[in-house]
Amino acid sequence: EDKVVQSPLSLVVHEGDTVTLNCSYEVTNFRSLLWYKQEKKAPTFLFMLTSSGIEKKSGRLSSILDKKELFSILNITATQTGDSAIYLCAVGSNAGNMLTFGGGTRLMVKP
Amino acid sequence: GAGVSQSPRYKVAKRGQDVALRCDPISGHVSLFWYQQALGQGPEFLTYFQNEAQLDKSGLPSDRFFAERPEGSVSTLKIQRTQQEDSAVYLCASSTGPGGIGQPQHFGDGTRLSIL
Repeated sequence: EDKVVQSPLSLVVHEGDTVTLNCSYEVTNFRSLLWYKQEKKAPTFLFMLTSSGIEKKSGRLSSILDKKELFSILNITATQTGDSAIYLCAVGSNAGNMLTFGGGTRLMVKP
Repeated sequence: GAGVSQSPRYKVAKRGQDVALRCDPISGHVSLFWYQQALGQGPEFLTYFQNEAQLDKSGLPSDRFFAERPEGSVSTLKIQRTQQEDSAVYLCASSTGPGGIGQPQHFGDGTRLSIL
């Protein structure tokens, strides 16, 4: 059974701090790993990673995948209160069509 | 519309009632997914459609759950004889091509279902 574990479960930081969120996975026939940001509504797509060692970057957010060690990290630099959300990691495999999600990391950024 | 649209946003039902949740995917998206998200947890897969064909329903928790997408666009998730454990947020997602995992899935705001 595919499995995704995220850590930490929750995190409280102050504005301006840098945070690193972790995602480890076990999946049959890995195809892709995705990061989503979920506030009170729909999970919003951030990144999709398929290759090891290639950093994806969007503004203050970046992510990288290690397919040998089976994990990914999501970095957020110079955090802002608007970054407060649940960050979800999900993996897709060639064995099926669905995404398997981790339990999420709840990030709170205090002013 | 520009994004995935779900209705209603909130639904309260008494135990034993039937409910129907609607999803209008992004126009032209071939793949449509339903997920169930319990409080404090990540979404869990329920079922997948490619156009009008339901190709995977392995995540449906019981035969009380039924989904359809008759014309390959709007989808409805129906839950019969609801139970308290059905209380959750039901998320719909769509993606451009078949298979779903080669392209990102885009989610709607979900329907929060509460069973009393």
